[in-house]
Amino acid sequence: EVQLVESGGGVVQLGGSLRLSCAASEFSFSDYWMSWVRQAPGKGLEWVANIKHDGSTKFYVDSVEGRFTISRDNAKNSLHLQMDSLRAEDTAVYYCARSRDPSVPWYFDLWGRGTLVTVSS
Amino acid sequence: DIVMTQSPDSLAVSLGERATINCKSSQSVLYSANNRNYLAWYQQKPGQPPKLLIYWASTRESGVPDRFSGSGSGTDFTLTISSLQAEDVAVYYCQQYYSNSPTFGQGTRLEIK
Repeated sequence: EVQLVESGGGVVQLGGSLRLSCAASEFSFSDYWMSWVRQAPGKGLEWVANIKHDGSTKFYVDSVEGRFTISRDNAKNSLHLQMDSLRAEDTAVYYCARSRDPSVPWYFDLWGRGTLVTVSS
Repeated sequence: DIVMTQSPDSLAVSLGERATINCKSSQSVLYSANNRNYLAWYQQKPGQPPKLLIYWASTRESGVPDRFSGSGSGTDFTLTISSLQAEDVAVYYCQQYYSNSPTFGQGTRLEIK
């Protein structure tokens, strides 16, 4: 089955770090741009970051620039998000998402079920 | 950043009736070089991830029922469900991908009247 499965969420203290992972299966992972999109509890969607299929280009939303790092391992069909200096406002479900169009990698046709990150004081 | 504003915030429609959700962008998402609107619509049911319904403002994703349609251009867009089914109860989001910092609307909750 074509799918994305996130892991690594949990409860972390203010200022702490967490590393999320996303395992891709049954599609050619190395051909696609990949993104992380988050959703705070009861709120809407916010795109966080994306990475080109070969890892050479990355983009971030301003609010996480310098704190979060997106990476990928095409040999292992996996996507990662290293989150440092976590803030209360980073509390959210984090979704891994695949870009539908390699030339316009900003909308998403495949989503994982998400992993919850809770930043606690 | 391009701000996306949806209306209404919530909507109750009778089964079999038409549902219309609006989305307005703070600047045009029509790219003149290819005459395409960089606008997508998603459906999110409770406890599930979002699902892509429409892209390029009016192109239906494979497998999406044809009762879902998208229209509009520039800054004003509409998602229409022609005949509401029980399984369409969800929150609907528009998203612009004109800029390299894509943004979503706040969502519209659709319920059965």
